Amino acid sequence: EDKVVQSPLSLVVHEGDTVTLNCSYEVTNFRSLLWYKQEKKAPTFLFMLTSSGIEKKSGRLSSILDKKELFSILNITATQTGDSAVYLCAVEESGGSNYKLTFGKGTLLTVNP
Amino acid sequence: DGGITQSPKYLFRKEGQNVTLSCEQNLNHDAMYWYRQDPGQGLRLIYYSQIVNDFQKGDIAEGYSVSREKKESFPLTVTSAQKNPTAFYLCASRSWTEGIKAFFGQGTRLTVV
Repeated sequence: EDKVVQSPLSLVVHEGDTVTLNCSYEVTNFRSLLWYKQEKKAPTFLFMLTSSGIEKKSGRLSSILDKKELFSILNITATQTGDSAVYLCAVEESGGSNYKLTFGKGTLLTVNP
Repeated sequence: DGGITQSPKYLFRKEGQNVTLSCEQNLNHDAMYWYRQDPGQGLRLIYYSQIVNDFQKGDIAEGYSVSREKKESFPLTVTSAQKNPTAFYLCASRSWTEGIKAFFGQGTRLTVV
C-alpha cells in the first residue's frame, strides 16, 4: 500500500486559475513533509512542513499541514504557464536511527494560456 | 559550488550486464538516497544510507546494490537481476540538521538495449 497518496494525479487549468493539490500520508513516526516541483530532471524544493496549522508561503505558492488528519495541501494562486510541472509530496519518517523519505506519485499540473 | 553530481547523464546497457551509477556530494550531508522514476510512478525508494558503511533497503531494492564507503559517495549498481532497469534514476542527500531539505542530483537516464 502506498504510504503517500497525492491527488489529483493530473490537472489541467487556465492561466489565472487557483489550484489545490492534495497529499495524504500514513506513516508510523512522522518527522516532516516536503513539497517539490519537478519540471524536467531534478526536483526543486518548495516547502518543508513539520508543524500543524502553520502556513508556509512563497509568492503565489502556499502550503499547510494537518498532522491530526494526516494531510497537506499545496495552493497555487493566479497560475502561470511556468507553473506547469509535476508536484511531488514526500514524507520523512524515522525508524530508530534511520530516516526514510518516501514520495507520492506526483500531480502533473498543466497550465494553458 | 556545493551540490550533488550524478554521472553519467545517459547510460546504455546491454541485457545481462551490471552497471554502476555514480552519485557524489560535497555538501557534507549525512544521509543519501537513491530513487527510481518511471512515467506515472513518482519516485520510488531503492536504497538509503544515514552514515558511512551502513545502508537500508527501500521499497524496490531487488536487483540493485549500493555501497557507502565514503560520506561523499553513494554509488548504485543495477545488476542483471533487475528485470526492468530502464528508468530515470535520481540521487538525493540531506543533512541531519533539523529543517534542512533534501537536495537532488540531475539524474541518470538508463536504457537497456
